[in-house]
Amino acid sequence: ETGVTQSPTHLIKTRGQQVTLRCSSQSGHNTVSWYQQALGQGPQFIFQYYREEENGRGNFPPRFSGLQFPNYSSELNVNALELDDSALYLCASSYRQGAGGELFFGEGSRLTVL
Amino acid sequence: AQTVTQSQPEMSVQEAETVTLSCTYDTSENNYYLFWYKQPPSRQMILVIRQEAYKQQNATENRFSVNFQKAAKSFSLKISDSQLGDTAMYFCASTGGGADGLTFGKGTHLIIQP
Repeated sequence: ETGVTQSPTHLIKTRGQQVTLRCSSQSGHNTVSWYQQALGQGPQFIFQYYREEENGRGNFPPRFSGLQFPNYSSELNVNALELDDSALYLCASSYRQGAGGELFFGEGSRLTVL
Repeated sequence: AQTVTQSQPEMSVQEAETVTLSCTYDTSENNYYLFWYKQPPSRQMILVIRQEAYKQQNATENRFSVNFQKAAKSFSLKISDSQLGDTAMYFCASTGGGADGLTFGKGTHLIIQP
């Protein structure tokens, strides 16, 4: 167990809707990042939050947004859902900002967009 | 930009055998980190082993070791005395530092046969 929990584990939405995914990090982990893992692919980096500020972003449009809270919880919000947003969304936390630190992953939230 | 390539979609070996998973990468960074992560079915992704690019010595963790060839940009994972619990998806990943997140390969599905 990594100590990182995500909710919900599965959900189904329709195109155009909005979704919020939640993550609870390990205590003391001040950095959280989110990844999108399409079926049969490796995870792709969406963005990273450090001390409640976004400080890194992958090649994802602005309709992907996030929040990080002081209690080590965080959210990923996706607006105007598209069919290609169907994927496993992984949250990962670490206590060390920047490269080299081990990431602790949650089990993911599987989103299906119809 | 970084790229990570895993050319073996699936591998299968007998229990107790040694298996090597291949990974090549490309980066423009002078200093970077390389990782192997394991993703068991319906389980959390966990770190197997990590290599800092400026360290020439290959990293080892119990039955897991890497062959890091910096000039060739190759980073293979060797699993000795393979066990049934090693069955999982294995992802090679790299990061150049800062808040850029990890770049993952597409993964290798390793099956350990009894």
